Amino acid sequence: AQSVTQPDIHITVSEGASLELRCNYSYGATPYLFWYVQSPGQGLQLLLKYFSGDTLVQGIKGFEAEFKRSQSSFNLRKPSVHWSDAAEYFCAVSTGFQKLVFGTGTRLLVSP
Amino acid sequence: DAGVIQSPRHEVTEMGQEVTLRCKPISGHDYLFWYRQTMMRGLELLIYFNNNVPIDDSGMPEDRFSAKMPNASFSTLKIQPSEPRDSAVYFCASSLNSDNQPQHFGDGTRLSIL
Repeated sequence: AQSVTQPDIHITVSEGASLELRCNYSYGATPYLFWYVQSPGQGLQLLLKYFSGDTLVQGIKGFEAEFKRSQSSFNLRKPSVHWSDAAEYFCAVSTGFQKLVFGTGTRLLVSP
Repeated sequence: DAGVIQSPRHEVTEMGQEVTLRCKPISGHDYLFWYRQTMMRGLELLIYFNNNVPIDDSGMPEDRFSAKMPNASFSTLKIQPSEPRDSAVYFCASSLNSDNQPQHFGDGTRLSIL
């Protein structure tokens, strides 16, 4: 069965430091992969998506993610974190027929 | 552009009462999804529709839950009778008809059953 693992429940990063959030997926075919962000009291907002082609994808708010088929990973990165990036981040894989399987999320805390 | 619109944003009611959550998807989107988010279980897909037809309701927890989509611009999720364990944030999302199209989420309805 398809699954997504986000091994870090929460991460604390200093403002201005770099960030990497981990995501591993299990899916037999070529995956469609997504990263969403959820701010408190709000719905999920799409950060970026990978379908095919260049394995390094750029998203909104300065985020990027790299697809590594050999490692079944799709890690999210940002070179310099801002306090406004504090939120919960979800990785998801599309399993066909528009269904998404979400990871359990990683809560990002940004320290001054 | 208007996003996915959910109402109400908050609902507090006593157990046993009927609860109706509403969703207006983005115009032109063929798919509509209902999710439930809790601390214990994370984000769960309850049911989704394609062109107003329910495709997969395997995530609906029990018969107390029902969902309808009478037309392309409106859907409801109903809980009758409600129980305290139904307390959660319920999200509606919509997307275009393709596996590589992202889902767009509403801001959710925070439901508290006392």
